Amino acid sequence: NAGVTQTPKFQVLKTGQSMTLQCAQDMNHNSMYWYRQDPGMGLRLIYYSASEGTTDKGEVPNGYNVSRLNKREFSLRLESAAPSQTSVYFCASTSVWNTEAFFGQGTRLTVV
Amino acid sequence: AQRVTQPEKLLSVFKGAPVELKCNYSYSGSPELFWYVQYSRQRLQLLLRHISRESIKGFTADLNKGETSFHLKKPFAQEEDSAMYYCALGGSQGNLIFGKGTKLSVKP
Repeated sequence: NAGVTQTPKFQVLKTGQSMTLQCAQDMNHNSMYWYRQDPGMGLRLIYYSASEGTTDKGEVPNGYNVSRLNKREFSLRLESAAPSQTSVYFCASTSVWNTEAFFGQGTRLTVV
Repeated sequence: AQRVTQPEKLLSVFKGAPVELKCNYSYSGSPELFWYVQYSRQRLQLLLRHISRESIKGFTADLNKGETSFHLKKPFAQEEDSAMYYCALGGSQGNLIFGKGTKLSVKP
């Protein structure tokens, strides 16, 4: 059982480049999330999707876009990367009946 | 506002000593609260949640609605408990709100 899978695991971007972080879950969960983790800041919610077809902004949405492609997949796009977006990004999912979150292994992104 | 506060960035104890990681929350309804743990360079995983009232790896947490707290406790810390601990609140919009985390360091 794979759970939540994120790709890529590591990425280095130049300022201004774009990229998409992929996330897929195989647990038939309704809700999916993107967080960024920074030292001293904990986990901050970027965007979330409470159910297929809906997305909502979290605490730090600026500079990001998301797509809930289907129930399994939730992608995060950086249109024009900035050094401030250097972070570790985690995708997570929860069932509507059980708000225990299952996390991916993270994507370590560096923007130079 | 829905908010989770973990006042300690770092907590350092000796092996065998008691541990208490503090968590306070702000939520107008009936809260769902969780503790997550992240071992070095691993993904976050659920440690425990208040509705289950169980003990995992010797850790317990009691919801105190009067004090709006959900502190995590363990009577005798082990070196393998060293990790980052996050308190989390199930938000009203189907989101999860995390505190900033407490790094627990257990010294031999």
